[in-house]
Amino acid sequence: AQSVAQPEDQVNVAEGNPLTVKCTYSVSGNPYLFWYVQYPNRGLQFLLKYITGDNLVKGSYGFEAEFNKSQTSFHLKKPSALVSDSALYFCAVRPRSGYALNFGKGTSLLVTP
Amino acid sequence: DSGVTQTPKHLITATGQRVTLRCSPRSGDLSVYWYQQSLDQGLQFLIQYYNGEERAKGNILERFSAQQFPDLHSELNLSSLELGDSALYFCASSVVGGSRTSTDTQYFGPGTRLTVL
Repeated sequence: AQSVAQPEDQVNVAEGNPLTVKCTYSVSGNPYLFWYVQYPNRGLQFLLKYITGDNLVKGSYGFEAEFNKSQTSFHLKKPSALVSDSALYFCAVRPRSGYALNFGKGTSLLVTP
Repeated sequence: DSGVTQTPKHLITATGQRVTLRCSPRSGDLSVYWYQQSLDQGLQFLIQYYNGEERAKGNILERFSAQQFPDLHSELNLSSLELGDSALYFCASSVVGGSRTSTDTQYFGPGTRLTVL
């Protein structure tokens, strides 16, 4: 069965510190990997995706993600967190043989001043 | 703003009723996807349409149906509503999405919050 795991329900970071939001997946083949962010009462906003190539993917708002094939992980990172980064973050996987995004349960990021 | 619009923003209705949610994709996008977000099930894919034709089906109940019109907007119809159908319903669109090898990104609308009383 295909699955996406975000092992932390919540991540707390002080403003200015680096942040990491973890994601691991169990999907056959070489899936496409995505990160989305959801602010309160808003839709999901696309941050970045990994298709192929360089394992470090750069995205919107200073976020980046590191793909690790051997660990089947796709962790989201940012060198210096902002209070405005506080939101719900979703990792998603799309198998190369499919169309739909399979989402993790989400990780709530809280950045404190 | 992703460019995907959804109406209405909020919908409150009673059990047994039928509602229609509407989605307009980004200009130029041919594919529309519907997702349901609930506290217990998380974000789940319901159905995809590509250029007017159903392309993929997920965990969509038989009481639910969708279609995509010639102008590419889509409607999700929910009937015989139950309390458990209360959720946030998202529409997403992508440029192509008609091929399994497509790598295009899905862009999400703001969602319709459905409350069934």
